[in-house]
Amino acid sequence: DAGVTQSPTHLIKTRGQQVTLRCSPISGHKSVSWYQQVLGQGPQFIFQYYEKEERGRGNFPDRFSARQFPNYSSELNVNALLLGDSALYLCASSYIRTQYFGPGTRLLVL
Amino acid sequence: AQTVTQSQPEMSVQEAETVTLSCTYDTSESDYYLFWYKQPPSRQMILVIRQEAYKQQNATENRFSVNFQKAAKSFSLKISDSQLGDAAMYFCAYRLNSNFGNEKLTFGTGTRLTIIP
Repeated sequence: DAGVTQSPTHLIKTRGQQVTLRCSPISGHKSVSWYQQVLGQGPQFIFQYYEKEERGRGNFPDRFSARQFPNYSSELNVNALLLGDSALYLCASSYIRTQYFGPGTRLLVL
Repeated sequence: AQTVTQSQPEMSVQEAETVTLSCTYDTSESDYYLFWYKQPPSRQMILVIRQEAYKQQNATENRFSVNFQKAAKSFSLKISDSQLGDAAMYFCAYRLNSNFGNEKLTFGTGTRLTIIP
């Protein structure tokens, strides 16, 4: 079975731009979570969606938003990009209380 | 708020030897899950092992085992017969057990494990 997939793998944006990251969960998984991992740190929770409803939100500004589609895939949007948004963005889908991660999208903001 | 602490930023071990990575956590809850994830240079976060807090028996997955001390809020990972492929960043993570609520994982800062040939 295919694992969690994310696109794109790498992205370069400039300050003030907007970005959309995409995630497809493992088949049969209905929950998707997003994490931000800054270099040298552990991942920080951004959002969790289950059955298209937001179930959790981390301590991130309103510039960050997400949604989940009927096929359980998800998008993470970040508006008005700042240099500090440069990070690896990880998506995870979950089954029986365990999260399985995708390869991540590396975002560089110049 | 729950916190996870990994006090060893770096560890090294001789190939084929055993190494133990430490993790402590703070929570007022009694029903939760603990995880160890491995992140190699490829950056993909890979699940190593999972422990349910209500189970007293320590989890084991092949060469990987944990020492779960609930009262002490300690959750260490033991890697036996270390292999070169075990070299990675290891993260300890906590999540509350909730049927319909937030599945948020709280991660520690990680331990970088080096395997010496």
